[in-house]
Amino acid sequence: ELKVEQNPLFLSMQEGKNYTIYCNYSTTSDRLYWYRQDPGKSLESLFVLLSNGAVKQEGRLMASLDTKARLSTLHITAAVHDLSATYFCAVSTSGTYKYIFGTGTRLKVLA
Amino acid sequence: NAGVTQTPKFRILKIGQSMTLQCAQDMNHNYMYWYRQDPGMGLKLIYYSVGAGITDKGEVPNGYNVSRSTTEDFPLRLELAAPSQTSVYFCASSLGGIYNEQFFGPGTRLTVL
Repeated sequence: ELKVEQNPLFLSMQEGKNYTIYCNYSTTSDRLYWYRQDPGKSLESLFVLLSNGAVKQEGRLMASLDTKARLSTLHITAAVHDLSATYFCAVSTSGTYKYIFGTGTRLKVLA
Repeated sequence: NAGVTQTPKFRILKIGQSMTLQCAQDMNHNYMYWYRQDPGMGLKLIYYSVGAGITDKGEVPNGYNVSRSTTEDFPLRLELAAPSQTSVYFCASSLGGIYNEQFFGPGTRLTVL
């Protein structure tokens, strides 16, 4: 059974600082996704990672994937208040279109 | 394009009542999904569909039913509502293929009292 764990669950950080969110999954997967959710809103797709060593960057966010370690990271560079949100990773079971989500990391960036 | 739409936005049900949550997409996506999100938690897959007439169970299907008679619509039926079904329900769709990026609807907030 595919399980997805994120840590930390909560993260409070100062503006301008760097930090990393981790996403571990338990079995082979062929796709990994990162989403952002603002309070009371729907999910917004950030990144799709397919292969080992894949790295994608958008603004202050960079996501990477290590399929051998079954680990993805979401790195935040020089955080700003606008990045405050909950970030989810999700993994699809190999060969299917079933998606398992992590419990999310609630990020608060303090001015 | 409207994308993925869901109705209603909010609903309060009494225990034992039934209702249907509507979901529609206008992107001609083959794949559609229903998730529930409990407070402070991630999304749990209820049911998904890979095309009209084809549905399959996700992680938490008990107490729910779905049908997919058209490519555009994927309604979720709650029979005999229970307080444990209080949640926010999200519908999503995707095109398939190598990326299979999901697009989410705005959600339906359901309370069962």
